[in-house]
Amino acid sequence: DTGVSQDPRHKITKRGQNVTFRCDPISEHNRLYWYRQTLGQGPEFLTYFQNEAQLEKSRLLSDRFSAERPKGSFSTLEIQRTEQGDSAMYLCASSLATSTDTQYFGPGTRLTVL
Amino acid sequence: GESVGLHLPTLSVQEGDNSIINCAYSNSASDYFIWYKQESGKGPQFIIDIRSNMDKRQGQRVTVLLNKTVKHLSLQIAATQPGDSAVYFCAETMGGGADGLTFGKGTHLIIQP
Repeated sequence: DTGVSQDPRHKITKRGQNVTFRCDPISEHNRLYWYRQTLGQGPEFLTYFQNEAQLEKSRLLSDRFSAERPKGSFSTLEIQRTEQGDSAMYLCASSLATSTDTQYFGPGTRLTVL
Repeated sequence: GESVGLHLPTLSVQEGDNSIINCAYSNSASDYFIWYKQESGKGPQFIIDIRSNMDKRQGQRVTVLLNKTVKHLSLQIAATQPGDSAVYFCAETMGGGADGLTFGKGTHLIIQP
């Protein structure tokens, strides 16, 4: 499968715990995005990398959220001290920097905070 | 076919009919628009895109229309099939990646047999 992959697909955690999600983009794509999607809503943009550089992070929801892409390939999204309001689907997308920059999404990680 | 002038959260159509899903976008500076299809429990799937220098683009069974004057986007699906049942989102961006995609309100398309 040459699409975007995410791991895990589902995560259940207790309030206050830290969680980390992984995203593997389409192999030749140099841009990688993270989004959050709550029930009944469209995805909400969180952050974006071009290669290993995080070029936009002001839309991260709080300082409990952080993302890395250390080698310009896979990326991780970490949420520290999870809260029940963090329960959502976390989506990753990747694109190849061109004039259209079409983003292709992975299957998402469903987070449930108890 | 079934069409709506304003956004509706749900659109129900008969199998084989044409359907039109509408979207109002927010940023007049946006220059690239995408329609995504999202099935339950899955990530959004790319359907078709259009740049702001075009007003129509056709794909296989789908057509996207862009009206920049009123900031309106529509997705036409011809001869709808059961597999078309999903939530459809429009998305906009100014390009360059830094602002990500801004998604519109989704429309749940229901195909009746």
